Amino acid sequence: QVQLQESGPGLVKPSETLSLTCTVSGGSISNSDYYCAWIRQPPGKGLEWIGSLYYSGNTYYNPSLKSRVTISVDASKTQFFLKLSSVTAADTAVYYCASLVHGIDYFDYWGQGTLVSVSS
Amino acid sequence: QSVLTQPPSVSGAPGQRVTISCTGSSSNIGAGYGVHWYQQLPGTAPKLLIYGNTNRPSGVPDRFSGSKSGTSASLAITGLQAEDEVDYYCQSYDRSLRGWVFGGGTKLTVL
Repeated sequence: QVQLQESGPGLVKPSETLSLTCTVSGGSISNSDYYCAWIRQPPGKGLEWIGSLYYSGNTYYNPSLKSRVTISVDASKTQFFLKLSSVTAADTAVYYCASLVHGIDYFDYWGQGTLVSVSS
Repeated sequence: QSVLTQPPSVSGAPGQRVTISCTGSSSNIGAGYGVHWYQQLPGTAPKLLIYGNTNRPSGVPDRFSGSKSGTSASLAITGLQAEDEVDYYCQSYDRSLRGWVFGGGTKLTVL
């Protein structure tokens, strides 16, 4: 069974870049069946899709975040990354990585999530 | 403002049936994209409950069912149990946004 684990700093200063890593184990999501995806959830609020990366290298970003987001994958395709630039307090959230099933468009496996706070 | 609209809260007594609605538009649910539902316990990641409008992943009780009609979808929960008192989210794809969208979430209270 695929397992996903987020890692990265829990505190980021305003105007800096948030960087997170998602490590995939127990299987591969770097194939035509899946996208790698990032989703976030501000404290006490709902879920927001941030962006997705397909195995071909194509990326898809939430229009509201597109100018600040980059999602990439390493050469081994066992880790994928999120970078969100120019962060503000509004970017404080639990960040989840997930696998997104291609063609049916649902998120089947999720990481446990990591809280990132933006504060000076 | 979420692209998919859910009631903030619903409630029901133990053993009863409740439904949670998810209203979209012609660019998402109404365009034929599937609706998927997630259950989120406090402090944990969402868990897939229903995919492709009506399908239950292995291990999900048949008390949970999904339906879709036009630009809306619903999640029905029968035989309400105390453990069902958590948050539920719908999700689909939006062709105008060219991305995946969620409802704002619904908190279920078991009276």
